[in-house]
Amino acid sequence: DSGVTQTPKHLITATGQRVTLRCSPRSGDLSVYWYQQSLDQGLQFLIQYYNGEERAKGNILERFSAQQFPDLHSELNLSSLELGDSALYFCASSVVGEPISGANVLTFGAGSRLTVL
Amino acid sequence: GQNIDQPTEMTATEGAIVQINCTYQTSGFNGLFWYQQHAGEAPTFLSYNVLDGLEEKGRFSSFLSRSKGYSYLLLKELQMKDSASYLCAGGFGGYNKLIFGAGTRLAVHP
Repeated sequence: DSGVTQTPKHLITATGQRVTLRCSPRSGDLSVYWYQQSLDQGLQFLIQYYNGEERAKGNILERFSAQQFPDLHSELNLSSLELGDSALYFCASSVVGEPISGANVLTFGAGSRLTVL
Repeated sequence: GQNIDQPTEMTATEGAIVQINCTYQTSGFNGLFWYQQHAGEAPTFLSYNVLDGLEEKGRFSSFLSRSKGYSYLLLKELQMKDSASYLCAGGFGGYNKLIFGAGTRLAVHP
């Protein structure tokens, strides 16, 4: 158990629907990151939050949005789902959002597997 | 961009040594991470390099050359359980955005 909790573990839904993925970071970590991993592809960076504020954005689609709440948990909202959105969505957390020490190690959750039919 | 390039697949024999290479674009680069990911599981941290040179951690070592935009992960005394994908990731920019390569799938054979 990495300490990063993601729910749900598996989700099957239909095209056009909307889903919410939830992440609770490791205790003491202030930064949350979301990544998408499609079949046989690398981790694609979506977005990063630090202490409730958006810090960095990757190639996140306009249909996707995220936020980090005051208790530091984060939610990733995926809407108007398409078949190509089927993927493993990972949340990761780290203590800091800046390279203060130079070693901003990310701890990953077990992922949420989304299947769009 | 911040392209991270690494080979797609490698095979090796149990007990041998394997080197997985990674190249990256140097603009905005802060440091280089290696993660291990078994199929269907979460990536786990292996090593971090910020200065040029070799960092050794047991059977695993990682090397970085900042001027060349090059890193490698060296795995010694390979075991069957080392069969996994190895992800090279670069930290870029003021907030150390972590960009991953597509991963190298390593198969260790008896």
